[in-house]
Amino acid sequence: DAMVIQNPRYQVTQFGKPVTLSCSQTLNHNVMYWYQQKSSQAPKLLFHYYDKDFNNEADTPDNFQSRRPNTSFCFLDIRSPGLGDAAMYLCATSRELEPGSYNEQFFGPGTRLTVL
Amino acid sequence: DQQVKQNSPSLSVQEGRISILNCDYTNSMFDYFLWYKKYPAEGPTFLISISSIKDKNEDGRFTVFLNKSAKHLSLHIVPSQPGDSAVYFCAASDSYTDKLIFGTGTRLQVFP
Repeated sequence: DAMVIQNPRYQVTQFGKPVTLSCSQTLNHNVMYWYQQKSSQAPKLLFHYYDKDFNNEADTPDNFQSRRPNTSFCFLDIRSPGLGDAAMYLCATSRELEPGSYNEQFFGPGTRLTVL
Repeated sequence: DQQVKQNSPSLSVQEGRISILNCDYTNSMFDYFLWYKKYPAEGPTFLISISSIKDKNEDGRFTVFLNKSAKHLSLHIVPSQPGDSAVYFCAASDSYTDKLIFGTGTRLQVFP
């Protein structure tokens, strides 16, 4: 089955210790997204890639970086995690948006990040 | 400033009855609205959508209603089943960007 895979499902890191979360997809979608979701809050878009074209949200902290080496993989790097970065991180993909259509995004199961 | 709001964090409904989940938005430029369903330990999955040129879209037990003048949409589930117990997210987009704006979600509990 075509899907979006996130590894690891649970990640524990120490305050200030860099961490990388990974996402892969078998859907061959050209758009990939990273969301941060804190408890009882809406998923918040951090950035997205349209093919290799990187689009950063204006309020995404510099502490968060991303890499997309190829169509299938995308990584989220948190350079110096703080306690406030503990959250669920969701990866999603979508096809190129067609005029007059809606943007259906396909989500992975998420990685829950704990910062000690 | 939240552009998509789900003011009810939780809803409890008896099996067989109707579940109504509500969503309000502020941006009149949104032209598509989507509902996602999320089970624990899984990512959100797409449920149903509606275009702003329509006021109703139906898919089996799920119907979404849109009231543009009130900037309000609702998801109706009839009849509700225990397997419908999940968190439901409302999301909105416009046709010019690849982004979705999500609400905070409503946790639906369907009890026997």
